[in-house]
Amino acid sequence: QVQLQESGPRQLKPSETLSLICGVSGASVTSGSFFWNWIRQPPGKALQWIGNVYYRANPTYNPSVRSRVTISMDTSKNQFSLKLTSVTAADTAVYYCASSTYYFDRSGYPDYWGQGILVTVSS
Amino acid sequence: DIVMTQSPDSLAVSLGERATINCRSSQSLLYGRTNKNYLAWYQKKPGQPPKLLIFWASTRESGVPARFSGSGSGTDFTLTISSLQTEDVAVYYCHQFFRAPWTFGQGTRVEIK
Repeated sequence: QVQLQESGPRQLKPSETLSLICGVSGASVTSGSFFWNWIRQPPGKALQWIGNVYYRANPTYNPSVRSRVTISMDTSKNQFSLKLTSVTAADTAVYYCASSTYYFDRSGYPDYWGQGILVTVSS
Repeated sequence: DIVMTQSPDSLAVSLGERATINCRSSQSLLYGRTNKNYLAWYQKKPGQPPKLLIFWASTRESGVPARFSGSGSGTDFTLTISSLQTEDVAVYYCHQFFRAPWTFGQGTRVEIK
């Protein structure tokens, strides 16, 4: 069973860069069986998919944040990360990392999730 | 982007009664190569990550009570809780993973009447 754990700073000021890490256990990030996702939920709002990465493939991003986001893997530490530049109050959210299983020729549904980390952007 | 629209936004149901949540997508989620609908349902409680209930529109996740069922194909989907229990109070989201950017419905809040 895949286990995921988010970590990183919980308080940011506007214009700073959000950097989160998702530690993975129970699977290898280099496995061709999984996509690795970031999903967030602003307070009182719906879930929003940020993007995902698959080993040896280019990441896929939500166009709404594409100009500011980078998702990458650290294979030596079996983790993947999220960087979001120039944050504003609108980026305040609970950030989740999640895995989804490769199925046929694309990703399946997110099935394993981290507990989430609340990141607050405020001056 | 594929827009996911849930109805109703909130729902109050008596204990033991049926709760029905609808989800409509702006494009078909049926992938011809696999003949599967790329639609999942999640249950979200405060302070917890989303819990996967249903995938491929109608397949119940292991360990999910049988009172939860999913149906539909193409653009119209339904999540049914056949006999509402107190632990089912939550917000429910439909989610399409057919085409990036993946999108979620706005959520349906289920409460006890």
